Amino acid sequence: GAGVSQSPSNKVTEKGKDVELRCDPISGHTALYWYRQSLGQGLEFLIYFQGNSAPDKSGLPSDRFSAERTGGSVSTLTIQRTQQEDSAVYLCASSSLGGSNQPQHFGDGTRLSIL
Amino acid sequence: AQTVTQSQPEMSVQEAETVTLSCTYDTSESNYYLFWYKQPPSRQMILVIRQEAYKQQNATENRFSVNFQKAAKSFSLKISDSQLGDTAMYFCAFTLVWGSNTGKLIFGQGTTLQVKP
Repeated sequence: GAGVSQSPSNKVTEKGKDVELRCDPISGHTALYWYRQSLGQGLEFLIYFQGNSAPDKSGLPSDRFSAERTGGSVSTLTIQRTQQEDSAVYLCASSSLGGSNQPQHFGDGTRLSIL
Repeated sequence: AQTVTQSQPEMSVQEAETVTLSCTYDTSESNYYLFWYKQPPSRQMILVIRQEAYKQQNATENRFSVNFQKAAKSFSLKISDSQLGDTAMYFCAFTLVWGSNTGKLIFGQGTTLQVKP
């Protein structure tokens, strides 16, 4: 499809396990964002990628969270040693250019549940 | 730091009527963008409308319009002729405009809108 694709749609895992969430942005979009949506914290920015520039990691809540973007396209958000407070919906968005001028297009999110 | 506040956790409206969702924000900056996003149960966030702070004219998109009051730091969304498909959670969001800005969005807590037949 033409939209932002995220996988898996739902993920259930045990506390302490590592998880990887994938985002495939709209073709040609150079900017990619990860957000987290949780009951307690609402919607929070996590990380931003723009082309080959260094990512803005200012929203990552702890060093258990990391993300990479390979080849300027697909991005993977990794959470190590998951905790119950990591349970949330993780949303990915892309835009044709970084910065505030361009609208962000969101995927359907990955619902992560930590048992 | 910038903050966005939506004071109405839940609202309801009868089909075909008009409803207004409230949003206030706090910033010391003068140049920024404001947005309303809609999130139906499918979870996908959909951009409803965007307002540039330096434009005095209120943005309009079909049945959706905003009342942007910069001095009051208020940005409300009016939905006219409400339709059942408008049932969703609505988020107000903010982003700064400056040279190195990434465009990252700061969201309010959301308002759940139910349109009743």
